[in-house]
Amino acid sequence: DAGVTQSPTHLIKTRGQQVTLRCSPKSGHDTVSWYQQALGQGPQFIFQYYEEEERQRGNFPDRFSGHQFPNYSSELNVNALLLGDSALYLCASAPGRDYGYTFGSGTRLTVV
Amino acid sequence: RKEVEQDPGPFNVPEGATVAFNCTYSNSASQSFFWYRQDCRKEPKLLMSVYSSGNEDGRFTAQLNRASQYISLLIRDSKLSDSATYLCVVSRGTALIFGKGTTLSVSS
Repeated sequence: DAGVTQSPTHLIKTRGQQVTLRCSPKSGHDTVSWYQQALGQGPQFIFQYYEEEERQRGNFPDRFSGHQFPNYSSELNVNALLLGDSALYLCASAPGRDYGYTFGSGTRLTVV
Repeated sequence: RKEVEQDPGPFNVPEGATVAFNCTYSNSASQSFFWYRQDCRKEPKLLMSVYSSGNEDGRFTAQLNRASQYISLLIRDSKLSDSATYLCVVSRGTALIFGKGTTLSVSS
C-alpha cells in the first residue's frame, strides 16, 4: 500500500518563475495538507484541502495556492518565486478531519 | 510570540542517558498534542500523541499540562538510534502546528 507520494523530489527554479508541486495521498485518505520547511526550522502550515476546498490556511501570501482533485490528489502552486521560497515542501494526508497524518518525503525546491 | 516554542538544543548525551525535552504553546484552544520525530533530510513521523493524564510508550513518556500550556517528552535509556530532531506539535483546527524542533545526538 503506497503511502503519500510527492513529485518531483527535487526542483530548481529561477526567481520570478512559477512552480507546481504534486501530491497523491495515502489510500483511504481524503484530507491533504501542505507544509513548508526551511533549513533548520520546523514545518510551517500552508493550507489544508478537504472535499476539494481549502479549509484552513496558514500565514502565507496569495502567491501560494492549491487545488484538490476528485481523486483527492493535490497540487501546490507558487507564483513569482522568491529566493526565500527555497525549502522542503511536505504534503501530509489524513482520513477525514482526523489527525492521523502521514507525510510524504517532500519536494526540495531551490530558487536561484 | 511563536505558537509553539522549543529549545533547539542540540542535546548531546551518552548512550543510556535520560533526556527531557520541553515545549510551550500559546493557543489555549489547541485540543490535540503530539511529538514527531524527524531524521536528517527525511519527513516527520509521529512518535506519540500526548494526553493530559500522561502516556508512555516503551522508553518514551509524554506529559501535558494544559494550565501551564506545557508539553514534555522524556526519553530513558537513550540509544544511538534515538539521534534525531524531535518536533513538538499542537493542533489548530485540524491542522498541525510544529515547533522548530529539538536536536538530540546520542553518542557511544
